[in-house]
Amino acid sequence: DAKTTQPPSMDCAEGRAANLPCNHSTISGNEYVYWYRQIHSQGPQYIIHGLKNNETNEMASLIITEDRKSSTLILPHATLRDTAVYYCIVRVASPQGAQKLVFGQGTRLTINP
Amino acid sequence: EAQVTQNPRYLITVTGKKLTVTCSQNMNHEYMSWYRQDPGLGLRQIYYSMNVEVTDKGDVPEGYKVSRKEKRNFPLILESPSPNQTSLYFCASSKMPGAGANVLTFGAGSRLTVL
Repeated sequence: DAKTTQPPSMDCAEGRAANLPCNHSTISGNEYVYWYRQIHSQGPQYIIHGLKNNETNEMASLIITEDRKSSTLILPHATLRDTAVYYCIVRVASPQGAQKLVFGQGTRLTINP
Repeated sequence: EAQVTQNPRYLITVTGKKLTVTCSQNMNHEYMSWYRQDPGLGLRQIYYSMNVEVTDKGDVPEGYKVSRKEKRNFPLILESPSPNQTSLYFCASSKMPGAGANVLTFGAGSRLTVL
């Protein structure tokens, strides 16, 4: 599996865009980038995933560089409820990929009022 | 509402007293998995199941058992709990195959304390 590197912590002001980076320089052609978040001790929550193209849903946008070696999760208008640990995961999109979805240490995002 | 339901949410037990943490999903997902989460160690996979009657070990299976007799249920069994199994446990499920395979839906968690 491609290894991911995320900053351990970030701060963002409420109402501003939160941009969370993730490096995955060893990603292979069939590996997707997934983002999850965990609010306090709740179950992790799926946010978004992508392969090559940028993706957007009701929660966030995912920007993947052209060489696919890094990506950025964007929360366009961060609220206090977005304070959480955010995990970037790279995995093949297959049953085998689902077998062992590895959650690293993630980025602890704090939204400040 | 589509969800993964775990019970109990909180449990305090004593060493050696068998317990079962239940997990049920209502999304007709083939894939189910159990994780434990400990401070500084992140989420670690205990067991997973690709379908009914198909289970396999994850990274930390010692001391745990699972079964998958029905598609919707995936109970986690601690035959003889020990204090090092004190942890926060999560059950998760997803459909297969394809890109959706890694879009996991997690339960709310079960906090287990073994004295």
